[in-house]
Amino acid sequence: NAGVTQTPKFRVLKTGQSMTLLCAQDMNHEYMYWYRQDPGMGLRLIHYSVGEGTTAKGEVPDGYNVSRLKKQNFLLGLESAAPSQTSVYFCASKPGQYFSNYGYTFGSGTRLTVV
Amino acid sequence: EDQVTQSPEALRLQEGESSSLNCSYTVSGLRGLFWYRQDPGKGPEFLFTLYSAGEEKEKERLKATLTKKESFLHITAPKPEDSATYLCAVQTYYGGSQGNLIFGKGTKLSVKP
Repeated sequence: NAGVTQTPKFRVLKTGQSMTLLCAQDMNHEYMYWYRQDPGMGLRLIHYSVGEGTTAKGEVPDGYNVSRLKKQNFLLGLESAAPSQTSVYFCASKPGQYFSNYGYTFGSGTRLTVV
Repeated sequence: EDQVTQSPEALRLQEGESSSLNCSYTVSGLRGLFWYRQDPGKGPEFLFTLYSAGEEKEKERLKATLTKKESFLHITAPKPEDSATYLCAVQTYYGGSQGNLIFGKGTKLSVKP
């Protein structure tokens, strides 16, 4: 099925460990996004990319890094995980800057717990 | 500063009891307003896009409307399967956001049989 695929779906990390979340889309979308969603806070933008090889900071970028080496993949890295990074992470994509009658296509999320 | 506010935060309805969810926005140059539905443990799923004041869109028991300052999501005779969190987002023409969506915090709807 076409769409946005996130791996893994669940992960438990110890404080200080590192990990990479993978987002893959097969719709040839230019723009890709990483959000975190916390109770009462809504969706907050971490980083985004407007095309292969580009990345930009969002609202809450500290403690995260990203890479977009291939158009279809957008990776989110945590170099040294902290309990404050416990959250549900969503990846999203869209075709271009403005043209999108449906906004974003979202993945199903990664639930990360840092202990 | 661009802002999106949704109300109420939570809404409990009896099956068949119609109501409305509100999304008010303060943005410079609205390009579009989007409604999403999010079920527990899943990503947001697209419902509607509205572009100009006066526009309306319908899908089954849902109808979305738009004015210059706010949007409403009307739910007519809801069923338990309509229970979900409903998210509103806006896209603007201006600023350095590259056309990114600005999300509200959502309204959690519960419909009891």
